[in-house]
Amino acid sequence: GAVVSQHPSRVICKSGTSVKIECRSLDFQATTMFWYRQFPKQSLMLMATSNEGSKATYEQGVEKDKFLINHASLTLSTLTVTSAHPEDSSFYICSARDSSEGFQYFGAGTRLSVL
Amino acid sequence: AQSVTQPDIHITVSEGASLELRCNYSYGATPYLFWYVQSPGQGLQLLLKYFSGDTLVQGIKGFEAEFKRSQSSFNLRKPSVHWSDAAEYFCAVGGSPGTYKYIFGTGTRLKVLA
Repeated sequence: GAVVSQHPSRVICKSGTSVKIECRSLDFQATTMFWYRQFPKQSLMLMATSNEGSKATYEQGVEKDKFLINHASLTLSTLTVTSAHPEDSSFYICSARDSSEGFQYFGAGTRLSVL
Repeated sequence: AQSVTQPDIHITVSEGASLELRCNYSYGATPYLFWYVQSPGQGLQLLLKYFSGDTLVQGIKGFEAEFKRSQSSFNLRKPSVHWSDAAEYFCAVGGSPGTYKYIFGTGTRLKVLA
């Protein structure tokens, strides 16, 4: 099956620093990728849709200047949490839509802890 | 409005017992439906999906789900639960051309008693 690699799996950073999370589709092309946030014991909330070669589309209430998304190639999207604060601590999950198949495949997630 | 409802937040079953996790959806068009499983601290693993054809769908790990259009439901079933099935289960709808977005239910946490 299709594989999506997400890196790092866990990151701890100081308040005020920026953190970059990578999402790669390993064996398929993904013109569209998605970034989700999951709070403890809650469901996944879509943050933004990342489109290759164009600007990301953010969901209502998500700060685009806080969560920078870049989708520079058909296999890579990055999420940068800028000037991270403790309230940004969460589990972030990416998914990639297989352009040929039409379904999303999910990464293993990144646990972000901001001290 | 598009939505997914998983009425049961927690379910506890004994190992070897049968399982049914409920999922109801509200979607304007013919839905694409999915069930995912998530172990603690892990990403999502696809159990099965439905988008057309036979309404009874077989998935991995012995799971199956049945699409019932009249009831707007897509319940997940397993005849005999194993202790390793303890996890969080999410139902999702969507992915149709145009938006490709998935809408997730709130999840059902399954506990398995030995």
